Amino acid sequence: DGGITQSPKYLFRKEGQNVTLSCEQNLNHDAMYWYRQDPGQGLRLIYYSQIVNDFQKGDIAEGYSVSREKKESFPLTVTSAQKNPTAFYLCASSTFTRTSGYLFEQFFGPGTRLTVL
Amino acid sequence: AQSVTQLDSHVSVSEGTPVLLRCNYSSSYSPSLFWYVQHPNKGLQLLLKYTSAATLVKGINGFEAEFKKSETSFHLTKPSAHMSDAAEYFCVRGDSSYKLIFGSGTRLLVRP
Repeated sequence: DGGITQSPKYLFRKEGQNVTLSCEQNLNHDAMYWYRQDPGQGLRLIYYSQIVNDFQKGDIAEGYSVSREKKESFPLTVTSAQKNPTAFYLCASSTFTRTSGYLFEQFFGPGTRLTVL
Repeated sequence: AQSVTQLDSHVSVSEGTPVLLRCNYSSSYSPSLFWYVQHPNKGLQLLLKYTSAATLVKGINGFEAEFKKSETSFHLTKPSAHMSDAAEYFCVRGDSSYKLIFGSGTRLLVRP
């Protein structure tokens, strides 16, 4: 079964704690992405990685960190510096390259809901 | 800046009636355009994508969208709504790099 898995489904964090969200894909995609979704809003890009051992900040990277040591894995750490981390986090992956100027679609995991206690 | 505007935050239809979800994009080079659907507490699923092969794009579950360059629109339609269509729908475009730009979403309610 090809796809993207995220774990855990629900995560609770205490103030001042770092937590790590897992994202794994077996689609052989080069690119992976992390998004944050708040109620009533679209998705905002946190970080993305186009290739192993390389990643770039998205629009709201402050308070988050990532690593890309393996092609299939792109974990996201929510640090204590993130002041308002309660949100739904979505991981996605895609084929890296464009063709004829058009961007390949991204495939999404089921999400992790993070709540700060 | 490139952007996507979904004109309605909520749309309510009766089961069996047509669905229209409206989307406009900021004009630039020919964009990559997508519609995604999200059911509550789930990830996003791709409904359809525009790749310039045809202006009328057919997707899954009977949805389709028409790319109109003169109107910079990419509205999503379905001839007959089903209860299972109730969800949030996102119009999305690719920007000049490899990022997706999301609209704010339209919540579709289907009345029995």
